[in-house]
Amino acid sequence: AQSVTQPDIHITVSEGASLELRCNYSYGATPYLFWYVQSPGQGLQLLLKYFSGDTLVQGIKGFEAEFKRSQSSFNLRKPSVHWSDAAEYFCAVAPQGYGGSQGNLIFGKGTKLSVKP
Amino acid sequence: DTEVTQTPKHLVMGMTNKKSLKCEQHMGHRAMYWYKQKAKKPPELMFVYSYEKLSINESVPSRFSPECPNSSLLNLHLHALQPEDSALYLCASSQRTGGDGYTFGSGTRLTVV
Repeated sequence: AQSVTQPDIHITVSEGASLELRCNYSYGATPYLFWYVQSPGQGLQLLLKYFSGDTLVQGIKGFEAEFKRSQSSFNLRKPSVHWSDAAEYFCAVAPQGYGGSQGNLIFGKGTKLSVKP
Repeated sequence: DTEVTQTPKHLVMGMTNKKSLKCEQHMGHRAMYWYKQKAKKPPELMFVYSYEKLSINESVPSRFSPECPNSSLLNLHLHALQPEDSALYLCASSQRTGGDGYTFGSGTRLTVV
C-alpha cells in the first residue's frame, strides 16, 4: 500500500540550530515528492518539490531536501532555523502523471516544529 | 495570479442550515480538490474534479455536495451537517498532468453547532 511516514511527531530546536525532518515513503515507483508547511489555522504552503533530476532540491525560505532512492527518503533540511519556522510540516507524495483521476496527494501525519529562543 | 482563494474564511452554521464554501483559481489548472482537515491531522481528500467533471469521491456523505461550475470555480454545498463535520476545509488545484504541484487555499474554518 502507498504510504508516507514522518517518524517524528514533534521536534524542538533552538533558534539558529540546524534542522532535519525525516520522511520515508512506500510506493510502487518513484513518485512526485513534496514538502508543505502549515501555520496554525492556515492553508498549506509548498516549500519544495522533487519530480526528477538533481536529487538535492532547493526550496523557499532557505529549505532544501534530498531524495534518496535507495532509502525511499526525502528529508527536509535547513541550516539555521528562525523562530518564524515554527509550524507543522507535511511530507506528501503523488503518483507521476498525477492530477485529476490519475491520482492525488498522500500525506504523512506531519511533524510539528517548535523553536526555542 | 498564483493563488487559490477560498471564501468565507470562517463559517458557523447550525445543523439545519444550508451553506456553501467557494474556491477560485485563475492559474489555468484543470484539476481541483476539496480536502478536510481535523485538528492535528493531515488533510484528507474528499473530492477531485478533472476538467469540471467529478472524478473521485472518497465516500463522502451526501450532506456534502460539490459543484464545479467552470474551470476556475469549485463550490462545496453543505446541508444538515453534524458537529463532527467541524474542521478546516481546504481547496487545492493542480495542472492536469505533471506540473508545479498542488496549490492550496488558506481554507475555511467551519464550526457546526
